[in-house]
Amino acid sequence: GAGVSQTPSNKVTEKGKYVELRCDPISGHTALYWYRQSLGQGPEFLIYFQGTGAADDSGLPNDRFFAVRPEGSVSTLKIQRTERGDSAVYLCASSSGTGRNTGELFFGEGSRLTVL
Amino acid sequence: AQSVTQLGSHVSVSEGALVLLRCNYSSSVPPYLFWYVQYPNQGLQLLLKYTTGATLVKGINGFEAEFKKSETSFHLTKPSAHMSDAAEYFCAVGPRAGNMLTFGGGTRLMVKP
Repeated sequence: GAGVSQTPSNKVTEKGKYVELRCDPISGHTALYWYRQSLGQGPEFLIYFQGTGAADDSGLPNDRFFAVRPEGSVSTLKIQRTERGDSAVYLCASSSGTGRNTGELFFGEGSRLTVL
Repeated sequence: AQSVTQLGSHVSVSEGALVLLRCNYSSSVPPYLFWYVQYPNQGLQLLLKYTTGATLVKGINGFEAEFKKSETSFHLTKPSAHMSDAAEYFCAVGPRAGNMLTFGGGTRLMVKP
């Protein structure tokens, strides 16, 4: 696609429920990132994929959070047993990840998660 | 480890006035530095970046930033603010290997008519 696409744009769920957030990166981009942005704060790194594998998952806050990218394109962020503190905008970004690293990330518009 | 500090969570300027948004970073390796802008209900958009070479970097919409290693700063400026510049601005630092960026807390720029 032309840009990074994230679905759903908004998700309201109840405490304890399971949630999946999807990211479709720019075609051909091998690197994919998930960030979380809480109200009034900057994006906080969660996990980074290079191809199908998680190259760095040091930002995942606990074992309720998990992400996959089985075919090296679309990624899904999965949150189990959601808590009210998980409410935030979840941002996905992609980059070409090839050649000389210029560092630019291309972001989607985010998925706003509200846990009641 | 890397970190970014943006001084001032809110900055208000008059239309036509100078815009100065401050960013200081901490990095154990020579950094790549970025400014992103976020308009309401939109994704983050790259304004400009410093990787190597010239320390004064020009970006879109008339913005520029200067990398000052001695001050560990990368402040964003624009000579004359427009109403359309009202948005949230984020400074970010990245390592030379891998693309994971660390963001500052953001500065909301308000432009008064």
